[in-house]
Amino acid sequence: EPEVTQTPSHQVTQMGQEVILRCVPISNHLYFYWYRQILGQKVEFLVSFYNNEISEKSEIFDDQFSVERPDGSNFTLKIRSTKLEDSAMYFCASSEARGGLNTEAFFGQGTRLTVV
Amino acid sequence: SQELEQSPQSLIVQEGKNLTINCTSSKTLYGLYWYKQKYGEGLIFLMMLQKGGEEKSHEKITAKLDEKKQQSSLHITASQPSHAGIYLCGADELRGRESEKLVFGKGTKLTVNP
Repeated sequence: EPEVTQTPSHQVTQMGQEVILRCVPISNHLYFYWYRQILGQKVEFLVSFYNNEISEKSEIFDDQFSVERPDGSNFTLKIRSTKLEDSAMYFCASSEARGGLNTEAFFGQGTRLTVV
Repeated sequence: SQELEQSPQSLIVQEGKNLTINCTSSKTLYGLYWYKQKYGEGLIFLMMLQKGGEEKSHEKITAKLDEKKQQSSLHITASQPSHAGIYLCGADELRGRESEKLVFGKGTKLTVNP
């Protein structure tokens, strides 16, 4: 069964360093998303991406964050200068059609980012 | 913005027992999704509900969306240890083309004791 895959599963980084989280969405999906879950808190939307551009972003997704689809299969989230409060589980998701139109999104296993 | 409240926050049941998890929205639900998360892992899609009064089942899990579309329940019949995990409800924040994002409840942690 097709699935969303994320790498690495766990990353530890020093505060101020740049990190890139990688995702391979389901191959025929066109819409891609990043969510995060700080320990003990709700899963929160960060950004959605379609047709090689950001289609929606939350207030969390500030200038330190960026997303890219560098080739036909990968979808990345870059955090430029990590802060302690960026420590969270980051989930990538993809869907066939546009979210908000009752279309299920399929989530990856997540990358646990720890900033020290 | 839309808020989803889940109850209970955690639940411990004996294997074989039935259980229900509730998800209540502060606004009308236009799409309601149930996901299961195992500790430290990803979200596994379970079911999507759209219409008031709709009910869907998958194996021993049944989910309903009430007629007013502000509450959903997830019912597990004859629970098994494999049902253990965190159940999350998620909703399309706004109707139709206005938003793509899902908002989630805090989750209900289910433990099933053998």
